[in-house]
Amino acid sequence: AQSVAQPEDQVNVAEGNPLTVKCTYSVSGNPYLFWYVQYPNRGLQFLLKYITGDNLVKGSYGFEAEFNKSQTSFHLKKPSALVSDSALYFCAVSRRGSGAGSYQLTFGKGTKLSVIP
Amino acid sequence: EPEVTQTPSHQVTQMGQEVILRCVPISNHLYFYWYRQILGQKVEFLVSFYNNEISEKSEIFDDQFSVERPDGSNFTLKIRSTKLEDSAMYFCASRPGQGYGYTFGSGTRLTVV
Repeated sequence: AQSVAQPEDQVNVAEGNPLTVKCTYSVSGNPYLFWYVQYPNRGLQFLLKYITGDNLVKGSYGFEAEFNKSQTSFHLKKPSALVSDSALYFCAVSRRGSGAGSYQLTFGKGTKLSVIP
Repeated sequence: EPEVTQTPSHQVTQMGQEVILRCVPISNHLYFYWYRQILGQKVEFLVSFYNNEISEKSEIFDDQFSVERPDGSNFTLKIRSTKLEDSAMYFCASRPGQGYGYTFGSGTRLTVV
């Protein structure tokens, strides 16, 4: 079974400061890892993914995430937070397989990011 | 940019009624999914659909639920007899045959009263 932990329900950061939203995962085999963002009353927007290759992944809106296999982590980071980054962030994992398959996503419970002006 | 379209955006139904949630996935995608998010909780997988059949389903997806791709463009989720606990945001998603680029729709908020 696969699982995702987002240990912080809420993260508060001042505008212009760096931000980190934490995520750890558990999956058999090599993982596919994703970050999604959800604004109020909106759907899930894709930010970035790690499939293979460089452990540092760059995504939309200046976000990046670092895959750390030994720590089974995939923390989301941004060097300088904006007020408009305030939203709910979800980490997700999908199991990698050898062929085509359904590859369902397992989500964490989400972390609410509040960027304070 | 291609989108996954879900209708309606909000549906209110009485307990015990049947509801059908509709989705139009991205046209060249092959894998289709329904997820749900109960208010304030995490997003949960319900079902995946490939080649006109269910490929995986969760324990949540019991006999009250069914999915269909009736005409090659729409992908529907039917709840036969809604319960109060079915109130949630339901997300449709699709994925191409290769790669892991899930695209989610904006969701249908279902309220059962």
